[in-house]
This record gives sequence, C-alpha cells and structure tokens, in this order.
Amino acid sequence: EPEVTQTPSHQVTQMGQEVILRCVPISNHLYFYWYRQILGQKVEFLVSFYNNEISEKSEIFDDQFSVERPDGSNFTLKIRSTKLEDSAMYFCASRKESSYNEQFFGPGTRLTVL
Amino acid sequence: AQTVTQSQPEMSVQEAETVTLSCTYDTSENNYYLFWYKQPPSRQMILVIRQEAYKQQNATENRFSVNFQKAAKSFSLKISDSQLGDTAMYFCAFMNAGNQFYFGTGTSLTVIP
Repeated sequence: EPEVTQTPSHQVTQMGQEVILRCVPISNHLYFYWYRQILGQKVEFLVSFYNNEISEKSEIFDDQFSVERPDGSNFTLKIRSTKLEDSAMYFCASRKESSYNEQFFGPGTRLTVL
Repeated sequence: AQTVTQSQPEMSVQEAETVTLSCTYDTSENNYYLFWYKQPPSRQMILVIRQEAYKQQNATENRFSVNFQKAAKSFSLKISDSQLGDTAMYFCAFMNAGNQFYFGTGTSLTVIP
C-alpha cells in the first residue's frame, strides 16, 4: 500500500541554521500539507500546497518558512534560520484531488534545535 | 475559527472492554468532515474512522464506531473489545470546506492487559 515517506527521521541543528525537511507524498495525490507537533501539544497546521503554489497557511508559517515541490515527487519544508521553539515533530501529509478525502500522514521528522 | 476540544487527556481501559473518547468542536459551517486519527508510539498518524457531516448515520469501522451529534457538535469514538494494539494517542480532527484540518489536543489511551 502506498504511503507518505519523510526524511530524515531525526534532524539536529544549531540555532540560526537552515534546515530542509523532505517528504515524498503518495504519487497520485495532488494536495500536500505540513503540520507541526510540539512535544506534548496538539498537531498544528502550517501550510497546504496545490498546483505548485501555497493554497493556505497558518500564522505559524511566517517568512522563515517556505515550501517547494522541486520535482514530481518531493515536497520540502525549509526553515531559514531555526529557533529553539522550532523544535517539534513535523508531519507531511497528502490527499487525493477528490473532495473531502482524508489526508495520509508521513511518519514525521523530529527536529531538535540546540 | 474552528476549534476541536478533547477533554480527556488520558484514559485507560481493560483489555476486551469498551471505551469512549469524547470530542467536541465549534464551527459555523454546515458541510464538513470529522476524523479520528490514531498515533501509536511509532508516531505515524493513521486514520481510524471518518464521518461526513451531512450523513446522519454514525460511521462504523469494525470495532470502532462514532456517536455523531451534529446539533451538539459532538463526535465521540467508541472502541469495542479493546486490544493491546489500541494503545495510542487518539486525535479528533475537523476538516472544513477549504480542506484545512484542525486537530484536538489528543487523548492518550492505554489498554491494560
């Protein structure tokens, strides 16, 4: 069964460094999402992406964040200058084009900012 | 703005027993979807069950069923014949017409052998 994959599983970085989190959505899905889950807290929506552009973003998704679909398979989240409070689990999700389908989540990347 | 509330941070149930996890939400929309996701210790979220708001019939998926009360904006999950593998974090989620998801804070369920 196809699934969403994410790399790396764990990323450790120094404050102020740039990080890129990578996701490979399910191949026939057209909507892509990034979520964040700070330890012990709820999953928070960051951004949705469709047709090569951002369709919605939350207040969390400020100028330090960007997303890209550099080729036909990868979907990346870049944090330009990481802060301590960026430490969290980052989940990628994808969805088929059909309306109201559930999102399929990847296993997550644990980002630790030191 | 939509909000999703899960008032039970932790619950436990004896193996083979039944447990109900509560979820309430707030929205002014009429068409939306509701979901329960399971997040085992491996941390990948898996869809358990979903409910379309326009359907009155409660969704059922094997041992999992929901009690959807649209007027009360309540969406509880019932797990029957609980198994050890049901131990996980359970998130209630709301999806609006813009396909944006809102998650609750989660309920940590422990199935006791």
